[in-house]
Amino acid sequence: GAGVSQTPSNKVTEKGKYVELRCDPISGHTALYWYRQSLGQGPEFLIYFQGTGAADDSGLPNDRFFAVRPEGSVSTLKIQRTERGDSAVYLCASSNRGTSPDTQYFGPGTRLTVL
Amino acid sequence: SQELEQSPQSLIVQEGKNLTINCTSSKTLYGLYWYKQKYGEGLIFLMMLQKGGEEKSHEKITAKLDEKKQQSSLHITASQPSHAGIYLCGADRGRSNYQLIWGAGTKLIIKP
Repeated sequence: GAGVSQTPSNKVTEKGKYVELRCDPISGHTALYWYRQSLGQGPEFLIYFQGTGAADDSGLPNDRFFAVRPEGSVSTLKIQRTERGDSAVYLCASSNRGTSPDTQYFGPGTRLTVL
Repeated sequence: SQELEQSPQSLIVQEGKNLTINCTSSKTLYGLYWYKQKYGEGLIFLMMLQKGGEEKSHEKITAKLDEKKQQSSLHITASQPSHAGIYLCGADRGRSNYQLIWGAGTKLIIKP
């Protein structure tokens, strides 16, 4: 079946603009995760959804970042007033969350560049 | 600082040779995940280890978790160009499966 998909694959924006990044998880997966990855680093946790609700948003760096998952499937990560430091690859993952071990399956990521 | 230390940071290996990548933590690991990353493909799940002393193999890749559950190794036998990429280890904190912590990755280059 289809894996996790993310759109767009690349996004270039100017400082101060608003961006939305979309994640389409594996069908039937109840858990969805957003990570951010800078060059030469491992992924950095941002937020975790169980169903429609954000079960843990402790990784969001500040209030410019917000994520939603209104119907428990597709999720959108929203970044307001983008800054150059927001440039990174944004990764989305989903997992079944009903099995053990609960492996996270990742999408290809969205490369965000803030000029 | 990284809670998971990976070594080496990068590795250049002649095709056909064996290699080992290590992932070390100062704390007990409750679940250790190995992923491979290539540009444009995101992270590809390789293996997950939970029990001390556990060892899993898939094709030419073997992963082990030591008895103390603080160190894992990934061993590739008879390396091929398709093995090239960045290998990442991730671990859960024991409270729940989400919010994995990650090593910085090991970049593997295979010389033909």
